[in-house]
Amino acid sequence: GENVEQHPSTLSVQEGDSAVIKCTYSDSASNYFPWYKQELGKRPQLIIDIRSNVGEKKDQRIAVTLNKTAKHFSLHITETQPEDSAVYFCAASIGGGNQFYFGTGTSLTVIP
Amino acid sequence: GAVVSQHPSWVICKSGTSVKIECRSLDFQATTMFWYRQFPKQSLMLMATSNEGSKATYEQGVEKDKFLINHASLTLSTLTVTSAHPEDSSFYICSAPLAASTDTQYFGPGTRLTVL
Repeated sequence: GENVEQHPSTLSVQEGDSAVIKCTYSDSASNYFPWYKQELGKRPQLIIDIRSNVGEKKDQRIAVTLNKTAKHFSLHITETQPEDSAVYFCAASIGGGNQFYFGTGTSLTVIP
Repeated sequence: GAVVSQHPSWVICKSGTSVKIECRSLDFQATTMFWYRQFPKQSLMLMATSNEGSKATYEQGVEKDKFLINHASLTLSTLTVTSAHPEDSSFYICSAPLAASTDTQYFGPGTRLTVL
């Protein structure tokens, strides 16, 4: 089955700085890679996603890059704000309504 | 966007009892739903795939006789934790894709289970 690894497990940055979270996956059949933000005790919220036919996608301060050959993808948050503090999870899926396999999570703290 | 609900949002039960958790798609039909388990400060671990009208598919290491899944309608999947023990205490979350061919999934708000 799919194995998704995520680094770092914790990340602290000063407000305004950038944050980068990296994930690797093992199954070459995976072609859909969403990123979720989760606040304590709440459901995961989709913040951005990318499909394997695209190398990069950006949405305001958030961007995701994908290297399908190397089987890794990264989340980039620029101009971080305190409200960005949360746990972030990457996931991989073969898509088409199939199951997600999640990374281990990154606890991001943005220091005002 | 599409809405997935779960009930109850939290439950406390005694060891040895069974607990049923419901996952509903409120404004769309879901032939497939997924059940995840999340321990404190850990990731979401896929437990099983719930298939409408057929048996669930369980991930390796998940006891199907302990975690009973029923998907009797296109809008409802239930997870029953049988003979619950304290180690079953966890956050259980379901998700459903908007349609069989779509990538995006919608998550329920989760159910916090505490077994005393």
